[in-house]
This record gives sequence, structure tokens and C-alpha cells, in this order.
Amino acid sequence: KNEVEQSPQNLTAQEGEFITINCSYSVGISALHWLQQHPGGGIVSLFMLSSGKKKHGRLIATINIQEKHSSLHITASHPRDSAVYICAVARRGSNYQLIWGAGTKLIIKP
Amino acid sequence: NAGVTQTPKFQVLKTGQSMTLQCAQDMNHEYMSWYRQDPGMGLRLIHYSVGAGITDQGEVPNGYNVSRSTTEDFPLRLLSAAPSQTSVYFCASRPFTGGGQRPQHFGDGTRLSIL
Repeated sequence: KNEVEQSPQNLTAQEGEFITINCSYSVGISALHWLQQHPGGGIVSLFMLSSGKKKHGRLIATINIQEKHSSLHITASHPRDSAVYICAVARRGSNYQLIWGAGTKLIIKP
Repeated sequence: NAGVTQTPKFQVLKTGQSMTLQCAQDMNHEYMSWYRQDPGMGLRLIHYSVGAGITDQGEVPNGYNVSRSTTEDFPLRLLSAAPSQTSVYFCASRPFTGGGQRPQHFGDGTRLSIL
């Protein structure tokens, strides 16, 4: 079983819908990252969480450390939000390596 | 404001050829890493470096070499290309202090096909 699992693998929605992408992990962590990869390949960091909730524009990320679960929400989704969203965790005690989820491919139709 | 620069963006090789993927960053980051990205899988760490002169293996190091002679540059060498190395390769960097709590900065990727 992978140490970081994302769901769903693929998600297609209509413009304006509220989107939720989930990330579950099985190890103790010091931080969890959400990243975005657009068609064409570039990867950018969206959030780093160690507790609670963060918001940036229409994106909201939450984490529940006890349940080992994080969610990324997109409000009022738009076709430009179409991308692969990747979850990665920093294992507690490790300064170097992240453990990566396989990504969720999101398509927003106009 | 270059960030992390990878070259080339695309490359086709024949089995057995060697080549070097270039990676340079201008943010004075100590930590640099190479990943490969394959369909349906998360990023897999090939090699990483925590500073000039220091490199170490990641999850999938076989068939690849790295060196770190300067803080800025971290090239990845394919010694004898194999079709299994067909993938998209990403270089990333971040400050060393703060460890996994610091966001990584990624290059645009190199799409490599081995025939």
C-alpha cells in the first residue's frame, strides 16, 4: 500500500462547481504539501500545511493530523484550474525526502 | 528571475547512448534533487544533494550519476540509456534549513524518450 494515497485519480466537473481532492497518508509527518502541475508540465507549490487550514484565493487546504488526512478545495472552479494536483508529505524526522502521491487529474469543462 | 532552469526540454536517444540533463538554479539553494515522473505514479527521487560536493542516492538511482561541483549546478547523467528510462525528468531545489517544511522550486522538466 502506498504511504500517500490521493483520491479521486481523475475528476471532471463543470465550471463553477466546488471541487474537493483528498490525500491520506500513513506515516508521521512534519508537513504536507499541495502542488499543481499544468498541462505542459511545470510544477508549482500551492500550500505547505502542518496543521489547520490555509486559503489562497479560491483554493483552500485543510489537514487533520489525527486522521492523517488532507483536502484541497477549489471554490467556483474555472477551466484554468484544470491541472494535476499533487500531495506530498515530509516524513517526521527526515530532513530530505518527500513522499509523493500519484496526483489527481482535474478537468473543468466550460 | 530564472529560478530553476532545465535543459533540454525534449530529447530522443537510442538505447546505449549517454547524455547529461542540465539543471541550474540561481536562488542559492543548498538542496537540489532529480525526480522522474511516470504515468500513474508519484514523483520518484533519483538522486539528491545537500550542498556542493555532497550527493546521495534516492529511491531509483540505478543507471544515473550526479555531481555537484557548485551550488548552482546539478547535472544528471544517463550512463547507457535504456527504454525503461523513458520518462519526464524534473530538477528541484529548496533551502536546506527547514527541511521538508520548505516548498520546492521545480524546473519545467525534460521529456526523454529512449528508442
